[in-house]
Amino acid sequence: SQKIEQNSEALNIQEGKTATLTCNYTNYSPAYLQWYRQDPGRGPVFLLLIRENEKEKRKERLKVTFDTTLKQSLFHITASQPADSATYLCAPPGGGGNKLTFGTGTQLKVEL
Amino acid sequence: EPEVTQTPSHQVTQMGQEVILRCVPISNHLYFYWYRQILGQKVEFLVSFYNNEISEKSEIFDDQFSVERPDGSNFTLKIRSTKLEDSAMYFCASSETIAGGGGNIQYFGAGTRLSVL
Repeated sequence: SQKIEQNSEALNIQEGKTATLTCNYTNYSPAYLQWYRQDPGRGPVFLLLIRENEKEKRKERLKVTFDTTLKQSLFHITASQPADSATYLCAPPGGGGNKLTFGTGTQLKVEL
Repeated sequence: EPEVTQTPSHQVTQMGQEVILRCVPISNHLYFYWYRQILGQKVEFLVSFYNNEISEKSEIFDDQFSVERPDGSNFTLKIRSTKLEDSAMYFCASSETIAGGGGNIQYFGAGTRLSVL
């Protein structure tokens, strides 16, 4: 069955550093992959979408890569700020439909 | 900026009671979804809805669950006879487009916390 793995351990980094989060998937080949941010008690918020024919996508301080050979996506936040502290969710589409299949998420904490 | 709104923010109910969770999707969106998140676990898909019918549902979405778009703006999730294990955050989402290589950005509401006692 399809499996999405994100590092379940929290990532603590210092303000100003680059945070890198990993998403690995197995047993399928999504045509695209999305990243969402979730704050405690809130719904996911869309950040970036990357398609299988795109190696890299950027938006302001955010960058996503998509390696279909490794079956992996990396999510980078450069010049991180305490306000970036949240859980980041990897979400490829689930099967052939429109649903999203979320990973467990990686909690990022940016410290002063 | 348009947003998905959900009411109530918190619903407390007794086991066996019926609950209706309400959502107002973004007005020009055509595809609607319900997800749930049990405390400390991942966001799980329940059901998707398009053109006034269910387009896909998960194993979680059994006969106790139903969805409806009663008018042009609301989208509801009904749980007929709640169980303790239905306690979770329920998120409504909507999207303008469908998947199929183009991508399917979904916009989520703030959620309804359902507590079944």
